[in-house]
Amino acid sequence: EVQLVQSGAEVKKPGESLKISCKAAGYTFTSDWIGWVRQMPGKGLEWMGIIYPGDSETRYSPSFQGQVTISADKSVSTAYLQWSSLHASDTAMYYCARNRYCGRTSCADFDYWGQGTLVTVSS
Amino acid sequence: QSMLTQPPSVSGAPGQRVTISCTGSSSNIGARYDVHWYQQLPGTAPKLLMYGNNNRPSGVPDRFSGSKSGTSASLAITGLQAEDEADYYCQSYDNSLSGYVVFGGGTKLTVL
Repeated sequence: EVQLVQSGAEVKKPGESLKISCKAAGYTFTSDWIGWVRQMPGKGLEWMGIIYPGDSETRYSPSFQGQVTISADKSVSTAYLQWSSLHASDTAMYYCARNRYCGRTSCADFDYWGQGTLVTVSS
Repeated sequence: QSMLTQPPSVSGAPGQRVTISCTGSSSNIGARYDVHWYQQLPGTAPKLLMYGNNNRPSGVPDRFSGSKSGTSASLAITGLQAEDEADYYCQSYDNSLSGYVVFGGGTKLTVL
């Protein structure tokens, strides 16, 4: 059974750094892509970026390029989303989701989702 | 502002049929990229509801169906049930800039 288990909720102050995780199980981690999706309070889904753990190819939404870093560690089947300096506007729920293919010419559906990590940034 | 436009809300009585539209452009749906749909029940993570325009994952009732034509796609729900009350999102791929994933703004379905 495919599972994506995300790290727990975080409460941070503006300017602090943060790295949240998404641990995959039940499939070959290096064969599929893992994407990250933001959902701000009461708002819709926004695609942030995606990584192919097989070779660490990473692609970002223009809206999030330079704002976050997506990475993966094959040895522990885990993808990460990190910020070097948080802002209050980063307060949101963040989801990871698996995608069978998401390259430069097309992108498939996100078939499995993590439970979400709530990030709250407040002074 | 999303590149895929959905109505903010739709509603219907139990047993009725409702449709949710997803309007894109020549750089996404009109470029023949597939459209996928997700259902997000209150307080839960999104769940894949329809992939490749009109394919249901295992476990999704056949009351749900999808279609695509030109620069638009639609999700239809027949025999509306109380448990269908949720937010629905369409998703596709856009080939502008360097190419990226796009979501619709979401539609809140209310079962009256």
